[in-house]
Amino acid sequence: EAGVTQSPTHLIKTRGQQATLRCSPISGHTSVYWYQQALGLGLQFLLWYDEGEERNRGNFPPRFSGRQFPNYSSELNVNALELEDSALYLCASSWAQYFGPGTRLLVL
Amino acid sequence: QKEVEQNSGPLSVPEGAIASLNCTYSDRGSQSFFWYRQYSGKSPELIMFIYSNGDKEDGRFTAQLNKASQYVSLLIRDSQPSDSATYLCAVIIGDDKIIFGKGTRLHILP
Repeated sequence: EAGVTQSPTHLIKTRGQQATLRCSPISGHTSVYWYQQALGLGLQFLLWYDEGEERNRGNFPPRFSGRQFPNYSSELNVNALELEDSALYLCASSWAQYFGPGTRLLVL
Repeated sequence: QKEVEQNSGPLSVPEGAIASLNCTYSDRGSQSFFWYRQYSGKSPELIMFIYSNGDKEDGRFTAQLNKASQYVSLLIRDSQPSDSATYLCAVIIGDDKIIFGKGTRLHILP
């Protein structure tokens, strides 16, 4: 059984650009949870999608958004990138039980 | 207000000894608690889950929960160099909120 997958593994953008990150949950899981792990700030909950709907979001500005597709995969979009958005973005199935390998976003 | 606190470390422990990692939390309504291991550059890996007061053992790992004192700890017996990692504590509050600590770096000395 494949685990949680994420793409790309690394992403380099400049300030003001948009970033799109992708995640596929474990087969049979309907929920996707997004987290940000920035240096010095720890792991923070971003967004929760289940059955195609946004169920909850953390304390992040609206430029962090996403969606979930009918096959339960998900996209996280970050608009108007800022330097402090540089972080490891993690996706998880089952709330916080199975994490994907992450996407490391660097904003220059 | 810091909701989940961990000593950042590094905590250095000789190989074969017991490593003791601590986590305190502020919300008395917290019900469930997780411990993760995260190697540098990798994603967190869930190693323990506890929700009842007392101890829970799984192999070399023991989680201890004391809700009255609002702390949860992780003991690693017979520490191995491969246990060197950052250990994250997470607390579930209510039905939909999870708060992570910033983690404790553990270094096992060969």
